[in-house]
Amino acid sequence: GESVGLHLPTLSVQEGDNSIINCAYSNSASDYFIWYKQESGKGPQFIIDIRSNMDKRQGQRVTVLLNKTVKHLSLQIAATQPGDSAVYFCAENMWVDSSYKLIFGSGTRLLVRP
Amino acid sequence: DSGVTQTPKHLITATGQRVTLRCSPRSGDLSVYWYQQSLDQGLQFLIQYYNGEERAKGNILERFSAQQFPDLHSELNLSSLELGDSALYFCGSSPEPIGGANVLTFGAGSRLTVL
Repeated sequence: GESVGLHLPTLSVQEGDNSIINCAYSNSASDYFIWYKQESGKGPQFIIDIRSNMDKRQGQRVTVLLNKTVKHLSLQIAATQPGDSAVYFCAENMWVDSSYKLIFGSGTRLLVRP
Repeated sequence: DSGVTQTPKHLITATGQRVTLRCSPRSGDLSVYWYQQSLDQGLQFLIQYYNGEERAKGNILERFSAQQFPDLHSELNLSSLELGDSALYFCGSSPEPIGGANVLTFGAGSRLTVL
């Protein structure tokens, strides 16, 4: 799943530093959120998820924060590594037209400098 | 390997033609989702099936159709192709419709080029 050519916001970080990727979601009634990582030539890969009744969830080297007041989601990556270079998408499970739909944000490209 | 299989990986065709993209979900997954990823639009939701039935529809064009078969594989049919249909098409599957512990797992995609 190449994202080359997408006019994405880019975050450039030094290897070993922490990264914070932000996402604004659109629907205050969305009940479930997921972060995906997409490397060049591959499909989106699940990183971490969070339900709307939580405000923080931690995984291995990753933390997702949810602020429902301002409809904001963030992904924190600790000790960023070269292998973390990819495009990151947030997705929200949204109730639209009488059904739930998983809607993706526009993505952020993370570049890790050695 | 995610367990979701998409074929073909690459497809080049001409305007006006019709193509079929195929997706085999992970073993045990009943729900299939289709997304389109164009260069300038990120991942756009097209359609979702659950156990053979259409569950949700996104901004899918009338020229596009899909179905999920009794063996749970799904096909996305794209007809009267236009240059703007060139994109990556991803299929994802989950045990149940998204929510709770049901994570959507994606295949590697089918790259369609319309000339």
